Amino acid sequence: GAVVSQHPSWVICKSGTSVKIECRSLDFQATTMFWYRQFPKQSLMLMATSNEGSKATYEQGVEKDKFLINHASLTLSTLTVTSAHPEDSSFYICSAKRGNQPQHFGDGTRLSIL
Amino acid sequence: DQQVKQNSPSLSVQEGRISILNCDYTNSMFDYFLWYKKYPAEGPTFLISISSIKDKNEDGRFTVFLNKSAKHLSLHIVPSQPGDSAVYFCAASKELGTYKYIFGTGTRLKVLA
Repeated sequence: GAVVSQHPSWVICKSGTSVKIECRSLDFQATTMFWYRQFPKQSLMLMATSNEGSKATYEQGVEKDKFLINHASLTLSTLTVTSAHPEDSSFYICSAKRGNQPQHFGDGTRLSIL
Repeated sequence: DQQVKQNSPSLSVQEGRISILNCDYTNSMFDYFLWYKKYPAEGPTFLISISSIKDKNEDGRFTVFLNKSAKHLSLHIVPSQPGDSAVYFCAASKELGTYKYIFGTGTRLKVLA
């Protein structure tokens, strides 16, 4: 099946720093990539939709200046959490899809801000 | 407003028996539905999908049923195996899946050996 790699899987950093998370589709070219956030025992909440070569579309309530998304190629999207604070601590998951195929997910990144 | 609901947070089933996971939705514009399975510390894995032109889709031990009038879908796993123990998320989309996915809150299935 399709493989989506997400890196890092776990990161701890100090408040005020910026953190970059990478999402790669390893065996297919993704027309669209998605970034989700999941709080404990809650659903996956879509943060933004990213198409290669164009600006990401953010969901209502998601600060685009806080969560910078770059989709530089058909196999790579990055999410940068800028000036991270403890309330940004969460589980971030990316997914990738090609055409009408189902989304395939990475294994997620657990972000802890001290 | 939770458009996709999984009202059972957990379910325990004996190995070999049927597992039935339920999902309800409120938006009649949804026309494409998916089930994902998630193990701890891993991302969700796609299991099976169904479009609104069908009322049933089967793939091996997994069958998804869609009742559009009731805005309800269910995932049947027969026979259940201990390896099926995971959290199951249903998701709904519009425009045959080209729209974003709206996920339910998940049901934790435990299959007892």
